[in-house]
Amino acid sequence: KQEVTQIPAALSVPEGENLVLNCSFTDSAIYNLQWFRQDPGKGLTSLLLIQSSQREQTSGRLNASLDKSSGRSTLYIAASQPGDSATYLCAVRGAGGTSYGKLTFGQGTILTVHP
Amino acid sequence: NAGVTQTPKFRVLKTGQSMTLLCAQDMNHEYMYWYRQDPGMGLRLIHYSVGEGTTAKGEVPDGYNVSRLKKQNFLLGLESAAPSQTSVYFCASSDTQTSGRARNEQFFGPGTRLTVL
Repeated sequence: KQEVTQIPAALSVPEGENLVLNCSFTDSAIYNLQWFRQDPGKGLTSLLLIQSSQREQTSGRLNASLDKSSGRSTLYIAASQPGDSATYLCAVRGAGGTSYGKLTFGQGTILTVHP
Repeated sequence: NAGVTQTPKFRVLKTGQSMTLLCAQDMNHEYMYWYRQDPGMGLRLIHYSVGEGTTAKGEVPDGYNVSRLKKQNFLLGLESAAPSQTSVYFCASSDTQTSGRARNEQFFGPGTRLTVL
């Protein structure tokens, strides 16, 4: 059974810092990995999608990397801003068998960026 | 494009009542999903559909039923609501995994907050 763990559970940083959020998964047979952002009381917004054959994806100040063999992904946020404050969720999509097409989520990292 | 929409946004039920949550997507996606989100449990898959007329059980299907009569709609039903079904329900959709250009990126709706008393 796939398990996804995110570290740290919560992070508080001053504005302008570069930061790294970590995600690890137990089964390397994945199709892709997605990073989401969730604001309080809102739905999930997709930030980055990395296919299993890719090593990294970039969007603006965000960079996500994937090391499938070691079961790890990192989300790097450059020059953090108060507007980045949210919960960040990592999810992996299974590659086959009973996990076909299903997303397994981590518990999330609650990020607070203070001015 | 509206993306993924959910109806209603909020609902309060009494134990034993029934209701249907509606999800609609305008992206012509084949796959649709229902998740629930609970504190400390994260998001868990309830049911999913890989195309019109098909449904399949996810991780926590008990107490729920689903239907996918039209490609753009995915309904989640609670026949006899229980307090344990108090949760936030999210619908999502994605394109098909068999398409050569598919990204299989899941897009989520805004959620339905359900309280069962």
